[in-house]
Amino acid sequence: EAQVTQNPRYLITVTGKKLTVTCSQNMNHEYMSWYRQDPGLGLRQIYYSMNVEVTDKGDVPEGYKVSRKEKRNFPLILESPSPNQTSLYFCASNSFGNEQFFGPGTRLTVL
Amino acid sequence: SQQGEEDPQALSIQEGENATMNCSYKTSINNLQWYRQNSGRGLVHLILIRSNEREKHSGRLRVTLDTSKKSSSLLITASRAADTASYFCATVDGANSKLTFGKGITLSVRP
Repeated sequence: EAQVTQNPRYLITVTGKKLTVTCSQNMNHEYMSWYRQDPGLGLRQIYYSMNVEVTDKGDVPEGYKVSRKEKRNFPLILESPSPNQTSLYFCASNSFGNEQFFGPGTRLTVL
Repeated sequence: SQQGEEDPQALSIQEGENATMNCSYKTSINNLQWYRQNSGRGLVHLILIRSNEREKHSGRLRVTLDTSKKSSSLLITASRAADTASYFCATVDGANSKLTFGKGITLSVRP
């Protein structure tokens, strides 16, 4: 089944404790993105990647890192999480010019 | 940066009625996409319309695109309670395939 998977689905952590949210797709898509969704603000892109070893900042990249060492994986790294990074995070992938496929979301709470 | 802006922000209709949602954008686009999101879940792609297309249908969905007015509309005919969800338009501009989402429309369909 074609899908985007994210792990973990739920995470509660404390300020400053490094964490990684994994994202994987099995559709051989070149393009992958991370978004965060907050009430009243819609979806905002954090980082995106157009292919292996090619990543670029989205609209709200501060406090986040990503890597794209393999085509299928695009982990999101929070080196030192802060409470303002409490949010619902989505990973997505697509082939160029086509619709994005979204993962189920990761709900992160930073205390 | 917000490209698509949906209108209205919230819409409440009776089952069986048609629902019309609008999206306006600012810069030229490659294509425009509509997504649906049930509460707290991942976004699901509904329909994609390219800049050289004016109208597209998919089941009970009809999307129009007016590039001269930089606007699109999504019509859901014969709405059902199960159509209750948030709907987002997203624009794709240029060669980098970056998707920019609006803040979404909350649709409530009363049984």
